[in-house]
Amino acid sequence: DTGVSQNPRHKITKRGQNVTFRCDPISEHNRLYWYRQTLGQGPEFLTYFQNEAQLEKSRLLSDRFSAERPKGSFSTLEIQRTEQGDSAMYLCASSLVASGFGDTQYFGPGTRLTVL
Amino acid sequence: AQKITQTQPGMFVQEKEAVTLDCTYDTSDPSYGLFWYKQPSSGEMIFLIYQGSYDQQNATEGRYSLNFQKARKSANLVISASQLGDSAMYFCAMRERGDMRFGAGTRLTVKP
Repeated sequence: DTGVSQNPRHKITKRGQNVTFRCDPISEHNRLYWYRQTLGQGPEFLTYFQNEAQLEKSRLLSDRFSAERPKGSFSTLEIQRTEQGDSAMYLCASSLVASGFGDTQYFGPGTRLTVL
Repeated sequence: AQKITQTQPGMFVQEKEAVTLDCTYDTSDPSYGLFWYKQPSSGEMIFLIYQGSYDQQNATEGRYSLNFQKARKSANLVISASQLGDSAMYFCAMRERGDMRFGAGTRLTVKP
């Protein structure tokens, strides 16, 4: 039984550097979500894909952030020119959409980013 | 505007007792879904329970039940027979369309 996996689990980088995170969803899940969580807060939605199409992006997702899901399977989230405010846990979730709003999102373990 | 409100930053409960975690939400959309997730200190988000806005009955999953009061826009989580392993952060979330909004969470501590 393989759940959602994320790599790397931890990333320390210097301000101004680019970083890329990878998320592998549960196989056959057609939706993939990215969230950001800072200490003491709930996750904040960033973007989501249905298959390879990026359907929605939050206003939180500045121009320095870009996400892709080229073949409708794994996804990458890239942050360019990192800033200290980007330090957070980046969570990925996947779901299988049937109908309505009841598709349960299953989360990965997250990637903790620290920008020095 | 805050869509999901969890007014209890922290809660304590004695082992084997029941506890209710509060959640209120704000939406003008008639179609939405409500979720509760548990986040232990390890950091993973664990799905607990789901309630659809058109569901007539309150959702239940084992020791978890969701007290859904649509007119009051509340979706409280009830955990029965608390266990030490229930100590964690609990997040209420609402989904209207694509994105899901989370509350700030409630830290539950179960005392032996």
